[in-house]
Amino acid sequence: NAGVTQTPKFRVLKTGQSMTLLCAQDMNHEYMYWYRQDPGMGLRLIHYSVGEGTTAKGEVPDGYNVSRLKKQNFLLGLESAAPSQTSVYFCAITGAGELFFGEGSRLTVL
Amino acid sequence: EDKVVQSPLSLVVHEGDTVTLNCSYEVTNFRSLLWYKQEKKAPTFLFMLTSSGIEKKSGRLSSILDKKELFSILNITATQTGDSAIYLCAFSFGNEKLTFGTGTRLTIIP
Repeated sequence: NAGVTQTPKFRVLKTGQSMTLLCAQDMNHEYMYWYRQDPGMGLRLIHYSVGEGTTAKGEVPDGYNVSRLKKQNFLLGLESAAPSQTSVYFCAITGAGELFFGEGSRLTVL
Repeated sequence: EDKVVQSPLSLVVHEGDTVTLNCSYEVTNFRSLLWYKQEKKAPTFLFMLTSSGIEKKSGRLSSILDKKELFSILNITATQTGDSAIYLCAFSFGNEKLTFGTGTRLTIIP
């Protein structure tokens, strides 16, 4: 998957708990993205980053925070998880106009 | 607001059949339309289309974009069980963010 690694792959949380998803790339790309995928909804952009130290909101940013302290890493945080955040989360990087995805992180919030 | 509709939502065919998947859109100022195949994990890139009327082909898969009628189709001939997947179309706007359609789930029966 073009050197994009997501951790953890699976996680179960209780409502109100917090957690962080880590996306690491070894491709030295500037652009990194976090998407969520839900049945019947396709992939929706949560937040993205165009370079180290920068982040921007996507289509569905509420309830999430992100940080890009190092170029290689893009972190997605849930401060107070809600059942509506049960989803599969994909990190992606760009190259030549297309996206390369990580393998996904399945998050369940009870 | 940009709108991307894929049809059908789900399709079941027998091995050897030919299928046509549709991506209709109300999207302005996009640079390219992309098709992805998603099996069990992350989406993988199939085609990038930038010009209307020019077919892209890769083995049994082909795709074309019609900017006048605002749709793209993905054709798969002589389908195989390995073609079973979710097929996603997406639009690139130059800053390399992609807006995805909801996807078509294709199932090939042996």
